[in-house]
Amino acid sequence: QKEVEQDPGPLSVPEGAIVSLNCTYSNSAFQYFMWYRQYSRKGPELLMYTYSSGNKEDGRFTAQVDKSSKYISLFIRDSQPSDSATYLCAMVTGGGNKLTFGTGTQLKVEL
Amino acid sequence: GAVVSQHPSRVICKSGTSVKIECRSLDFQATTMFWYRQFPKKSLMLMATSNEGSKATYEQGVEKDKFLINHASLTLSTLTVTSAHPEDSSFYICSAITMGLAGNNEQFFGPGTRLTVL
Repeated sequence: QKEVEQDPGPLSVPEGAIVSLNCTYSNSAFQYFMWYRQYSRKGPELLMYTYSSGNKEDGRFTAQVDKSSKYISLFIRDSQPSDSATYLCAMVTGGGNKLTFGTGTQLKVEL
Repeated sequence: GAVVSQHPSRVICKSGTSVKIECRSLDFQATTMFWYRQFPKKSLMLMATSNEGSKATYEQGVEKDKFLINHASLTLSTLTVTSAHPEDSSFYICSAITMGLAGNNEQFFGPGTRLTVL
C-alpha cells in the first residue's frame, strides 16, 4: 500500500463546477499537508498549506483535513478553464522536510 | 511566494556527455534543496536532499556517482548528470525550503529542466 493514495483521473468538469480532489494517507506521523498545482511541463506551484484538521479557505480554494480519517481534500469553486492542470497532494511528518506526494489528479475544466 | 529558478529550462545532449543543471533560490537563502525527477504523467520522485556545505543525501536506488549534487552556497545547488544515456531523459525539478508565515517549513519548486539524451 502506498503511503499516499490519490485518484489520477483524468477528471473533466464544465466551467463553473465545484471540483473535489482527494487524497488518503496511511502514515499517522504526517502533520503538514499541501496542495500543489502543476501545469504541463512546469514545476509544481504551492496552492494551499494546512497543518490542522478543519478547513482553510483562500479565494476559490478550500483545503480540508481530517486527521482522524487520514483524508484530505481540495475544493475548487467556480472552476475556470485556467484551473486545468494536475493537482498534487503532498504531506510531511512533523519535524521532517521530505515531502511525500500523491500521484496527482489531472483536471480539465471545459468551456 | 518564494521564487526558485532553474537553468537551463531545456537541454538536449548526446549520449555519454555530462549535463549540469542549476537551481537558485532568488529571494531567500535555502540551507536545504531537493532534486526530483518526474516521468510523463507521473508524480515527482525524490532523488536527493542537498544540504549547503555538506554531502547530499541520496534516496535508495539513486546512483550518487551518476547524479552529482553540489550545494555550493545558500542560494545555489547544482545537479550534474554524468555520462548521460537516453534512459536519463526526464524532467528534473528542484525545490528549496524556506520558513513560512506560520513558522513552518514551506517548499517551493523551480520550473523544471527537461533533459533529452539522444
